[in-house]
Amino acid sequence: GQNIDQPTEMTATEGAIVQINCTYQTSGFNGLFWYQQHAGEAPTFLSYNVLDGLEEKGRFSSFLSRSKGYSYLLLKELQMKDSASYLCAVIDSNYQLIWGAGTKLIIKP
Amino acid sequence: GAVVSQHPSRVICKSGTSVKIECRSLDFQATTMFWYRQFPKQSLMLMATSNEGSKATYEQGVEKDKFLINHASLTLSTLTVTSAHPEDSSFYICSASNADTEAFFGQGTRLTVV
Repeated sequence: GQNIDQPTEMTATEGAIVQINCTYQTSGFNGLFWYQQHAGEAPTFLSYNVLDGLEEKGRFSSFLSRSKGYSYLLLKELQMKDSASYLCAVIDSNYQLIWGAGTKLIIKP
Repeated sequence: GAVVSQHPSRVICKSGTSVKIECRSLDFQATTMFWYRQFPKQSLMLMATSNEGSKATYEQGVEKDKFLINHASLTLSTLTVTSAHPEDSSFYICSASNADTEAFFGQGTRLTVV
């Protein structure tokens, strides 16, 4: 079956760095997304990776290794507003979107 | 986690016809549902937000007369693509939320207009 795994919850300190991992087993691969979502709101797009390597975008970076079925989202200089859920999603060979359950990130002062 | 069911998963229709996509929250009451569109290798584009019992709020650039959204109950929202054209071919995804939780996503509907 198809599966995406990411930690349920993580806690980090304001100003620090946190890495949220995502592993996937899907039938084919056409890209991986990371989204940020605050409770009751629509998710907002953070990054899209389809090739191996690191994509940096300001305080957020996303890494992909297709051979390992692995991605991570790196958040630097954490701010309180970064407290949210972070969702990993993969597009499979049929262009179906497979979602992870999300990682709830708690930022402490 | 909560389950959101989207139906159909794939649909092919002729140009000029209308297609209805259903989004159901199976084990919770969804006060808010979101509809998205995704083009290949691009991010999700939020089309509209609908709250149960009221009119949907459409994002800028989304034609509300073309993409009809109905959220008549706490467990069902529908998106109807009216007079579909080939450029409407895309991947449509819904998500559902009860405002106290994160939104949960449907599996998506791949629409192909021929």
